[in-house]
Formats: sequence, C-alpha cells, structure tokens
Amino acid sequence: GNSVTQMEGPVTLSEEAFLTINCTYTATGYPSLFWYVQYPGEGLQLLLKATKADDKGSNKGFEATYRKETTSFHLEKGSVQVSDSAVYFCALSDQGSGGSYIPTFGRGTSLIVHP
Amino acid sequence: EPEVTQTPSHQVTQMGQEVILRCVPISNHLYFYWYRQILGQKVEFLVSFYNNEISEKSEIFDDQFSVERPDGSNFTLKIRSTKLEDSAMYFCASSYGQPNSPLHFGNGTRLTVT
Repeated sequence: GNSVTQMEGPVTLSEEAFLTINCTYTATGYPSLFWYVQYPGEGLQLLLKATKADDKGSNKGFEATYRKETTSFHLEKGSVQVSDSAVYFCALSDQGSGGSYIPTFGRGTSLIVHP
Repeated sequence: EPEVTQTPSHQVTQMGQEVILRCVPISNHLYFYWYRQILGQKVEFLVSFYNNEISEKSEIFDDQFSVERPDGSNFTLKIRSTKLEDSAMYFCASSYGQPNSPLHFGNGTRLTVT
C-alpha cells in the first residue's frame, strides 16, 4: 500500500536558520505530492504541491522538489520565522482500489522556531 | 474565502453511545473525506465520498461507521457504538477534483470517549 514517512520531531530552530524536513514515500502508482501545514487549533491547509517528477512546489519561501529516483519530497526554507512554528505534513495522492484518489498523510513534524 | 466548517468542536460521549459528527464542505466541491488523528499519531484516512456514495474506505472504516450527505450541504460521520479507542480528532475535508486538487480541511472535532 501507499505510505509516507517523515522525520521525527520536534525540530527546534532559531529564527533565520535553514530548515529541512525530510519526507519519503512509497506508492503503487505515480502520485502527486503535497505539503500541508497545521497551526494550533486549526485544520490542515495546503502549503505546496508537485504533480510530476522534478517539479518544484513553492510557497511562502518554502520549497520541495519531487524526486522520483529517491522517492522523496523534502521541505526546505532558507530562513525560518517564529510564525512558521506549526506541524508540517507530507502527503501523497494516489489511486485507490476503487479507482478514485486517496490522499495519504505522514505522521507530521512539529517545527518550533525561537526568536 | 469559503471554508469547511465542523461541529461540534469537542464531543464527549460514553462508551457504547452513538455520535454524529457534522461537516459543511465548500459548496462547489465534489469530493468529501473523513480523516482522524489520534493524539501524536498520523492523520489516518477513513472514507471518501463522491456522487452520493462511498468511493474509497480504509480498514478502520468498519460497520460501526457510516457517512451521509442528507441534504446536499451537510456531510456527516456516524459512529454507532463508540469505543475508547475511537477517541481522536476527526477532520472533514473536501476537494473540487482529483487527483491534484488540494484538500480543504475543517478545524476538526475532538471526540473523547469515556
């Protein structure tokens, strides 16, 4: 079956530090890949996505590149801010046995940014 | 911006009782989902719904669970006889299409079974 593996958290950084959150996936088909972010007390919201190999998704200074050869979609940001503190979820969307697409999520990685 | 709304935000129930969790998806979306997140665990897929029927369901979604879209706007998840292990945060989501349309999530319902 499909699965998403993320690095364990929490990740604790100082403001302006470089961020990497690793994500690897297993899929039976050719999935689309997503990063979602969850702020305290809220639902998940889309951060960025990539739909084919070598695509780079980007938003709000965050980037991730779809690497088919390594089945990875690592999230990066060059300079984090306190406001980036949240839980980040890597996800894939692949076709299920019924023919429709099922988004599958990783465990989530908590990011804490200190001033 | 339109959003997915869920009610209630917190539900406490006794083991064996039935609960109904309610969601209002974004009005022009076609696909609807329920996910759950047990504290500290991953976000788990329960069920997807399209064209007034279940399109996919996970192993978690057994006979104790059911979904309904009774009136064209609400989307409900019913748990017939709750167990302690059903305690979790339940998220409703909707999307316009597949496979690349992102999911829009509600803020979740925290279900506590005592």
